[in-house]
Amino acid sequence: GAGVSQSPSNKVTEKGKDVELRCDPISGHTALYWYRQSLGQGLEFLIYFQGNSAPDKSGLPSDRFSAERTGGSVSTLTIQRTQQEDSAVYLCASSASPSNTDTQYFGPGTRLTVL
Amino acid sequence: KNEVEQSPQNLTAQEGEFITINCSYSVGISALHWLQQHPGGGIVSLFMLSSGKKKHGRLIATINIQEKHSSLHITASHPRDSAVYICANRRGSQGNLIFGKGTKLSVKP
Repeated sequence: GAGVSQSPSNKVTEKGKDVELRCDPISGHTALYWYRQSLGQGLEFLIYFQGNSAPDKSGLPSDRFSAERTGGSVSTLTIQRTQQEDSAVYLCASSASPSNTDTQYFGPGTRLTVL
Repeated sequence: KNEVEQSPQNLTAQEGEFITINCSYSVGISALHWLQQHPGGGIVSLFMLSSGKKKHGRLIATINIQEKHSSLHITASHPRDSAVYICANRRGSQGNLIFGKGTKLSVKP
């Protein structure tokens, strides 16, 4: 079946512009995660959605970052007034549930470059 | 200090060698993950374990809860094993992962 998909695969934008990154999780997966990987850095957690519960936003680096998940499926990560330090690969993952026994399946990522 | 520490950062091996990558974590876990990231960027989950040992093909993952340490072993390494291997800690009921910085493995033919 289809895995996690993300779009666009690459995004180049100018400093100060807003961007939207999209994630389509595996159908039926209730848990959805956003991570980012900056050049030369490790992966870091951004935000986590589980079902209809309030999202865990504890990893968002600033109030310029927000995310929503509509209908428990597709998620959009929005970065307002982008800065050069926002340049990174943004990865989405989903799992059937947040249970310890559930594997997280990663999408291919969106490479964001802020000029 | 990062919650999840990996060693070595970089590892070069000859084809056929036995590989070990180590991961130490500083807080209790509910599950420890090993992930593989290929040069193209895609991330694949290899193992998720909370005790003992798991094996899949030439890959073996072990964990020692008391010592807060896990190892990933690759037997009979092959150039296609070249990738970044990432250890990640999952704490309690929180769903998100805390990642190590990764070990870049290069296997030469």
